[in-house]
Amino acid sequence: AQSVTQLGSHVSVSEGALVLLRCNYSSSVPPYLFWYVQYPNQGLQLLLKYTTGATLVKGINGFEAEFKKSETSFHLTKPSAHMSDAAEYFCAVSAVPNTGNQFYFGTGTSLTVIP
Amino acid sequence: DTEVTQTPKHLVMGMTNKKSLKCEQHMGHRAMYWYKQKAKKPPELMFVYSYEKLSINESVPSRFSPECPNSSLLNLHLHALQPEDSALYLCASSYGQGNNSPLHFGNGTRLTVT
Repeated sequence: AQSVTQLGSHVSVSEGALVLLRCNYSSSVPPYLFWYVQYPNQGLQLLLKYTTGATLVKGINGFEAEFKKSETSFHLTKPSAHMSDAAEYFCAVSAVPNTGNQFYFGTGTSLTVIP
Repeated sequence: DTEVTQTPKHLVMGMTNKKSLKCEQHMGHRAMYWYKQKAKKPPELMFVYSYEKLSINESVPSRFSPECPNSSLLNLHLHALQPEDSALYLCASSYGQGNNSPLHFGNGTRLTVT
């Protein structure tokens, strides 16, 4: 079975500071991992994904994430926070096709950026 | 701009009304999804269509009825809803129902049931 745990439902950082949003997964098979961002009154937008290959994945808006199999983690980082980064962030893991379901979402982390 | 278009953006309906939510994508994706999202919660999967056939129904009450007229369109028909059904309803699509194909979301329909 697959599941995702996001540590910290709320994270606050100062503008210009490092952003670190934590995601740990549980998967009985090699996982496919995703980070999505949701701004108020909008749908979810794909930030980045890990499928195979390089474990450091770069996404949009200056975000990146590193897949660490030994730690079962896929933390999201950004070197310098902008006010526009304030949003809800969801980590997701996808299941193998024959289970029928595709995505398991974490409970989300709300990022606040303090000017 | 999102490549998955949902209409209407907002909908207010009474418990005896019948309404429909619409979703359209022109990316050639063959899997389409309905999700329900409550405030400050992750999306919850409702239905999945793969190649225009219903492949997953996550035990959704029958007052929600999905329809996939063709590979680009997805509807969600609503009837006799309850106030607790008020939520953001998100449509998504993906290239296939495979495990490395990301979901592309629309901006949702904000539904209020009075």
